[in-house]
Amino acid sequence: DADVTQTPRNRITKTGKRIMLECSQTKGHDRMYWYRQDPGLGLRLIYYSFDVKDINKGEISDGYSVSRQAQAKFSLSLESAIPNQTALYFCATSEVGRNTGELFFGEGSRLTVL
Amino acid sequence: DQQVKQNSPSLSVQEGRISILNCDYTNSMFDYFLWYKKYPAEGPTFLISISSIKDKNEDGRFTVFLNKSAKHLSLHIVPSQPGDSAVYFCAARENSGYALNFGKGTSLLVTP
Repeated sequence: DADVTQTPRNRITKTGKRIMLECSQTKGHDRMYWYRQDPGLGLRLIYYSFDVKDINKGEISDGYSVSRQAQAKFSLSLESAIPNQTALYFCATSEVGRNTGELFFGEGSRLTVL
Repeated sequence: DQQVKQNSPSLSVQEGRISILNCDYTNSMFDYFLWYKKYPAEGPTFLISISSIKDKNEDGRFTVFLNKSAKHLSLHIVPSQPGDSAVYFCAARENSGYALNFGKGTSLLVTP
């Protein structure tokens, strides 16, 4: 079983619909992140959370919101999806005190907005 | 402005030869640099990292070189194997411990 699990893995939706992508982890890490991958643009940070009471915006947070329900769960919401939010979304975790900054990624959630 | 740049979108190498993937950065506050490997339909996986106080780190077939004065790092894979075919992302972290900045990735194809 994956240490970082994302659901759904694939989702097709329509413009204007509300979508939630969920992430859960069994690594016991305090820090969790949501990244977005677009072809030719690499991975860009949407939101991150360093513990349950901490939520921070990344470089492309507009149009997204997050909720850190517990140490192990971090969900990403699109309140009103638009086509340019079509992308591959990754959840990641990291360990406090791990100097290398290494992130552990889930397998991704592919979202298509029509 | 992209602070981590991978200017080669793709690279093709023959099996057994050396693969060299390059990465440039602009932020002198980065203290750790990492390489991630990504196969289709999978999440990125950590490959190797280097601290800004080092100029080389080696792990088996993978070696990362850091040239701070040039703000440049490179990943060497020797010898290259077909299973190394993947997208490689260069990433860097500011010493504030914020999050990782990623490059756009280089798609490596190792041909038999």
